Amino acid sequence: DARVTQTPRHKVTEMGQEVTMRCQPILGHNTVFWYRQTMMQGLELLAYFRNRAPLDDSGMPKDRFSAEMPDATLATLKIQPSEPRDSAVYFCASGSPGNQPQHFGDGTRLSIL
Amino acid sequence: AQSVTQPDIHITVSEGASLELRCNYSYGATPYLFWYVQSPGQGLQLLLKYFSGDTLVQGIKGFEAEFKRSQSSFNLRKPSVHWSDAAEYFCAVGPYSGGGADGLTFGKGTHLIIQP
Repeated sequence: DARVTQTPRHKVTEMGQEVTMRCQPILGHNTVFWYRQTMMQGLELLAYFRNRAPLDDSGMPKDRFSAEMPDATLATLKIQPSEPRDSAVYFCASGSPGNQPQHFGDGTRLSIL
Repeated sequence: AQSVTQPDIHITVSEGASLELRCNYSYGATPYLFWYVQSPGQGLQLLLKYFSGDTLVQGIKGFEAEFKRSQSSFNLRKPSVHWSDAAEYFCAVGPYSGGGADGLTFGKGTHLIIQP
């Protein structure tokens, strides 16, 4: 079965450090999404790309977060500098236009101390 | 703006009993609707989706959901739950362009507990 792969699965770091999360979308999917899951806010869409171009990043804090797709097989989400309030599970999903759903990775559980 | 409401934060059901999880949505156009399930430490797995056509849709693991436009609802049902169904369930809505093409809006989730 094709899967969305996220690394690392877990990350613990201190406040102020740079954090990079990576996502390998399913081959052939041209749209990549980043979501954040917290107890208080639930699942929120942060940003998404189509054909490697950013389409919407309105859900993402611009001052410290950045998302890129260096190539079709890799999406990255960076936080610099990180803060304790960034602690959450970050999910990547991929999909394509049409009547097919998004497929989610297993997430990166991020803890900022 | 679109929104999804799952009124029940927790639901406890006895094994073998029937289940209904509620979902109400607010969306300005024809929606695409989804139910996902999340087990602890895992990502989201799609249970079923509604795009158009028959308003009763069948999914995996014996789940089904019924789209009721007049009530803006998309409730999830299962006739007989198994202990392995204990998980977090999320309802989501997306634009008509397709569930794989645009960001989804999720409800806060319903935590399902199965009693022996």
